[in-house]
Amino acid sequence: GAVVSQHPSWVICKSGTSVKIECRSLDFQATTMFWYRQFPKQSLMLMATSNEGSKATYEQGVEKDKFLINHASLTLSTLTVTSAHPEDSSFYICSAKGAGTEAFFGQGTRLTVV
Amino acid sequence: AQTVTQSQPEMSVQEAETVTLSCTYDTSESDYYLFWYKQPPSRQMILVIRQEAYKQQNATENRFSVNFQKAAKSFSLKISDSQLGDAAMYFCAYEDSGTYKYIFGTGTRLKVLA
Repeated sequence: GAVVSQHPSWVICKSGTSVKIECRSLDFQATTMFWYRQFPKQSLMLMATSNEGSKATYEQGVEKDKFLINHASLTLSTLTVTSAHPEDSSFYICSAKGAGTEAFFGQGTRLTVV
Repeated sequence: AQTVTQSQPEMSVQEAETVTLSCTYDTSESDYYLFWYKQPPSRQMILVIRQEAYKQQNATENRFSVNFQKAAKSFSLKISDSQLGDAAMYFCAYEDSGTYKYIFGTGTRLKVLA
């Protein structure tokens, strides 16, 4: 199957700083990418949908100014958590979808804000 | 809005036995995709099987098969000859055909007993 690479796998940052997470489709062009957040022992919660070259669409309740999403090319989307606080600590997962395919998931990023 | 329900938070199966995980969904669409994903402790989402709604034949992938009942909006996963490596969280997912968003169920934790 297709490969989606998410980087970093884990990151620790200080409260008040920003952290960027990258999601790359390595062997296909991703027309749409999705960002999820997963709390321990819970399901995936969709945060936003991004299409290449256009603004991301955020789900209700997700702060677009805190979670900045950029999808500048057909193989890369980034999620920046701005002014991170301990409550932003979570597991973040991206997925990427090409034309006519199912979505493929990255390995996830464990963010810890201290 | 579409919803996905997994009513079994946890299931156990003896090694080499068969187990069925339940999933029901609600939608007004006639054409859509359904998926089962496995999430092991590494938290990488792994596609187990997918079903296209317009196909009446149940999908099968080696030891994994589904019982797709479109009228009843039911999509159960059968795992035959269970192996220790099958232990994981299993998520049922529905793909919205317009937005390509995935709606996930709450998950079922499968334990495989040696």
